[in-house]
Amino acid sequence: GAVVSQHPSWVICKSGTSVKIECRSLDFQATTMFWYRQFPKQSLMLMATSNEGSKATYEQGVEKDKFLINHASLTLSTLTVTSAHPEDSSFYICSARDTFGAGANVLTFGAGSRLTVL
Amino acid sequence: AQSVTQLDSHVSVSEGTPVLLRCNYSSSYSPSLFWYVQHPNKGLQLLLKYTSAATLVKGINGFEAEFKKSETSFHLTKPSAHMSDAAEYFCVVSEPGGTSYGKLTFGQGTILTVHP
Repeated sequence: GAVVSQHPSWVICKSGTSVKIECRSLDFQATTMFWYRQFPKQSLMLMATSNEGSKATYEQGVEKDKFLINHASLTLSTLTVTSAHPEDSSFYICSARDTFGAGANVLTFGAGSRLTVL
Repeated sequence: AQSVTQLDSHVSVSEGTPVLLRCNYSSSYSPSLFWYVQHPNKGLQLLLKYTSAATLVKGINGFEAEFKKSETSFHLTKPSAHMSDAAEYFCVVSEPGGTSYGKLTFGQGTILTVHP
């Protein structure tokens, strides 16, 4: 079945530094990937839609200059949290849709990346 | 606009008894509906999905859900709970088709506890 890999699974960084999270579709191609954020004991909130070869579409209230998204290939999207602060500490999850395959109607989620900013 | 309401934030059952997790939705379109499960510090696993085919949907691990348009509900059930079912469950709605597919709206989540 379709597999989405996220790396790193957890990261700790100092305040003011930048952190990059990768989301890879391992056995399918995805023109569109999605980034979500989950605060402790809360539901997932869509942050942005990552589009291969074009700019990401951000949800209202999400700072695009702070959460940089790059989707340079059909199998990789990256989320960079720039100048991270403690309030950015969260669980970030990506998902991808198999654009060209039989699983086009199903989103596959990565295992998530837990970011802790000290 | 679309929204999802999970009616119970916590559900507690005994092992071997039935499970019912309730979900109501609101959508301007004929929605696609999903149930996902999340174990602690893990990603999301798809349990089942409804995409305008059969209204009774069977998923993995013995779970099933029934789409009831008249009640705008998509409740998740399982006849007999296992200890391994303890997790958080999310009801999710997505607008069908096109590039907007995948813009999921998540419910607040229901934490299922299973007692021995």
